[in-house]
Amino acid sequence: AQSVTQLDSHVSVSEGTPVLLRCNYSSSYSPSLFWYVQHPNKGLQLLLKYTSAATLVKGINGFEAEFKKSETSFHLTKPSAHMSDAAEYFCVVSDLYSGYALNFGKGTSLLVTP
Amino acid sequence: EAGVTQFPSHSVIEKGQTVTLRCDPISGHDNLYWYRRVMGKEIKFLLHFVKESKQDESGMPNNRFLAERTGGTYSTLKVQPAELEDSGVYFCASSQLAGLGYEQYFGPGTRLTVT
Repeated sequence: AQSVTQLDSHVSVSEGTPVLLRCNYSSSYSPSLFWYVQHPNKGLQLLLKYTSAATLVKGINGFEAEFKKSETSFHLTKPSAHMSDAAEYFCVVSDLYSGYALNFGKGTSLLVTP
Repeated sequence: EAGVTQFPSHSVIEKGQTVTLRCDPISGHDNLYWYRRVMGKEIKFLLHFVKESKQDESGMPNNRFLAERTGGTYSTLKVQPAELEDSGVYFCASSQLAGLGYEQYFGPGTRLTVT
């Protein structure tokens, strides 16, 4: 079985400073990993995904994540936060065991202060 | 291209009543998924349709939940009778292809409150 742990339920950063949202996963099979974002009153939007190609994955809006198998981590980073980045972020895993179902972490709320 | 739409956006009902949620997937997407997020918990998978057929309904919590996708277009999720623990946000997603690594496109969700 697979699981996802988002290590922080809330993260607060100042505009212009780096963002780090942490995610650890467990999977018995080669996983696919995703980060989704949800802005208020909007649907979940895919930021980026890892599917066994390059371990450093670049996504939209300047976000990137690095798949580290030895650490079972898939942390999300951005060099400089923007006010519009304030949202809830979800780390997601799927693998051959889960089939087509996505397995979500509990989410991390990112607050960006001026 | 229109995204996944869900109706209603909010629903407040009393315990024991029936509620029907609707999802319209992106046009041409054969795969449709339902998920829900109960307060304070993770978003959890409920079921997966391929066209009008249920591919996987392993996440459906009990027989008070009935999902349909007649004609392979929009889908409905009926809760009858609703219980307090059914409160949460119900998300629908769709995809053209299904499988490991394929993106699922999500709607904004329906917030269900059972009082």
